[in-house]
Amino acid sequence: DVKVTQSSRYLVKRTGEKVFLECVQDMDHENMFWYRQDPGLGLRLIYFSYDVKMKEKGDIPEGYSVSREKKERFSLILESASTNQTSMYLCASTNQDRGHNEQFFGPGTRLTVL
Amino acid sequence: DAKTTQPTSMDCAEGRAANLPCNHSTISGNEYVYWYRQIHSQGPQYIIHGLKNNETNEMASLIITEDRKSSTLILPHATLRDTAVYYCIVRRNFGNEKLTFGTGTRLTIIP
Repeated sequence: DVKVTQSSRYLVKRTGEKVFLECVQDMDHENMFWYRQDPGLGLRLIYFSYDVKMKEKGDIPEGYSVSREKKERFSLILESASTNQTSMYLCASTNQDRGHNEQFFGPGTRLTVL
Repeated sequence: DAKTTQPTSMDCAEGRAANLPCNHSTISGNEYVYWYRQIHSQGPQYIIHGLKNNETNEMASLIITEDRKSSTLILPHATLRDTAVYYCIVRRNFGNEKLTFGTGTRLTIIP
């Protein structure tokens, strides 16, 4: 069975802390994504990566950075957490096959910044 | 990406077929129709996708009209575990294409 795992389901941090969110997939997928989901705003893309050490900004990259040192792992970093980064963070992965590239999601990390 | 329009909410009796409509009148020729669902406090789950032919898998059926301007997701025998928000999306079928979810349809299965 396809698996995308995220390091934490719930996380509480303080303003100004550096926060690491980890995502691991076991499907040998090339593409990995970080989204945030907020009520009324739907799903918004923060960053994505199409290969090891490669990254592309999504729609809302400000305040975030990412790291992809290994194919199976994609990390989201909040350099200095702020209260407006309180959100549900979702990681997803997919392959490059034109015919079958549905995105598989992890369970999400609900981050609260106090 | 083309926009989609879905009803905000629907109810369906347990054991009956749930039919969820979606309008995508501005869909382009190279865009597919995808359906995802999100059960409360979980990540979204892929259900099915199609280009112009009807599709069926173990979870659902997808009926796309001949003009491709609308589609219907059918859950043939709804169970309480199918209660979720269902998202209809149109997108090109590239691996690095992001997903954009609208507000979706909140489906409630009634016992």
